[in-house]
Amino acid sequence: EAGVAQSPRYKIIEKRQSVAFWCNPISGHATLYWYQQILGQGPKLLIQFQNNGVVDDSQLPKDRFSAERLKGVDSTLKIQPAKLEDSAVYLCASSSDPPLAAIYNEQFFGPGTRLTVL
Amino acid sequence: AQTVTQSQPEMSVQEAETVTLSCTYDTSESDYYLFWYKQPPSRQMILVIRQEAYKQQNATENRFSVNFQKAAKSFSLKISDSQLGDAAMYFCAYCRNKLVFGAGTILRVKS
Repeated sequence: EAGVAQSPRYKIIEKRQSVAFWCNPISGHATLYWYQQILGQGPKLLIQFQNNGVVDDSQLPKDRFSAERLKGVDSTLKIQPAKLEDSAVYLCASSSDPPLAAIYNEQFFGPGTRLTVL
Repeated sequence: AQTVTQSQPEMSVQEAETVTLSCTYDTSESDYYLFWYKQPPSRQMILVIRQEAYKQQNATENRFSVNFQKAAKSFSLKISDSQLGDAAMYFCAYCRNKLVFGAGTILRVKS
């Protein structure tokens, strides 16, 4: 079974430029997550999709970050315009349909995209 | 809001020795999950071990075991017979509908 794919692996941009990251989840996984991991910190959930609908985007800085999941499969995360503090690793994860009333469903992580904003 | 605290930014262990990584968390819930993830330099997050809060028995996975103290809200990871491949960043995480991670502990293994 192929894992979660992300591209690019690395990206360097100037502040105020735009950038987009792509994620392809494990085939058949209904739920997709984007995390931001700043150096020296643990990952922080930015947005969670269930199929192509948003479940939780409470920690997404909506003035500059946007995400979409077309047709409930691939997803893109965009930053426009980027700030210095956006330098981080952006991790994508996916999980299958959760059992009814489940409070946990195992997430499988991709290799991440390391963003450097200069 | 739930929080996860890892008080050891960095730990070192001699190859073949045992090391314990500490984690505490804060929650008002009684039903939840706790995890330890390993993140090597490749950045791939790998699930090491999982503990369900309603289970009193501590989870074990080969050389990895946990000491889960629910009343104290403590969840430590013990790695026995440490190997060079164990060197990585280790994250403690809490989950009740959403994963919340600690800041991580860098584990260095000396040969």
